[in-house]
Amino acid sequence: NAGVTQTPKFRVLKTGQSMTLLCAQDMNHEYMYWYRQDPGMGLRLIHYSVGEGTTAKGEVPDGYNVSRLKKQNFLLGLESAAPSQTSVYFCASSFPGTLAGETQYFGPGTRLLVL
Amino acid sequence: SQQGEEDPQALSIQEGENATMNCSYKTSINNLQWYRQNSGRGLVHLILIRSNEREKHSGRLRVTLDTSKKSSSLLITASRAADTASYFCATEGNKLVFGAGTILRVKS
Repeated sequence: NAGVTQTPKFRVLKTGQSMTLLCAQDMNHEYMYWYRQDPGMGLRLIHYSVGEGTTAKGEVPDGYNVSRLKKQNFLLGLESAAPSQTSVYFCASSFPGTLAGETQYFGPGTRLLVL
Repeated sequence: SQQGEEDPQALSIQEGENATMNCSYKTSINNLQWYRQNSGRGLVHLILIRSNEREKHSGRLRVTLDTSKKSSSLLITASRAADTASYFCATEGNKLVFGAGTILRVKS
């Protein structure tokens, strides 16, 4: 039981390049989330999904797109990376209930540096 | 916009001492959660306290919630070097919102 895994662990991009971050969970969770963590800012919600085929915007969605084609996977895309997107990205998942009323399980994070 | 704000921002104590971290929030909540993050790792859920609860225990952790003051505290008793981490409160309205965290250092 791997829990929540993220690929890649670390990536360096040049401004304007694109990339996709992959999140996978094997706990059969309905809900999945993408956060970014910046120094002194805590975690900020980028996008989330309450089920296969559904996505919704969080607090800071600009510059990102997501897809949830399979229940176990949640992809985060950067179409044209900017230095402001340098951050650590965390994926999380949870069982349904209220959207945030249950425990969230986090992946190990992806460190992204945009030059 | 951050809902929960932790205090202090950083805390350094000796092994065996107790550590207390506080969280204040602004709007009504359904529940409040505490998470721990070790350096370079993802967050790990510690404890969830619902709005109709005042105190909850889990091992060496004690969490209190005062909805009238919109505040919560996390007490770690008999701290160990392995407790060194960042601790975040997360408040739930219709989404989970994390504070900026308290960095705890336990010196052995």
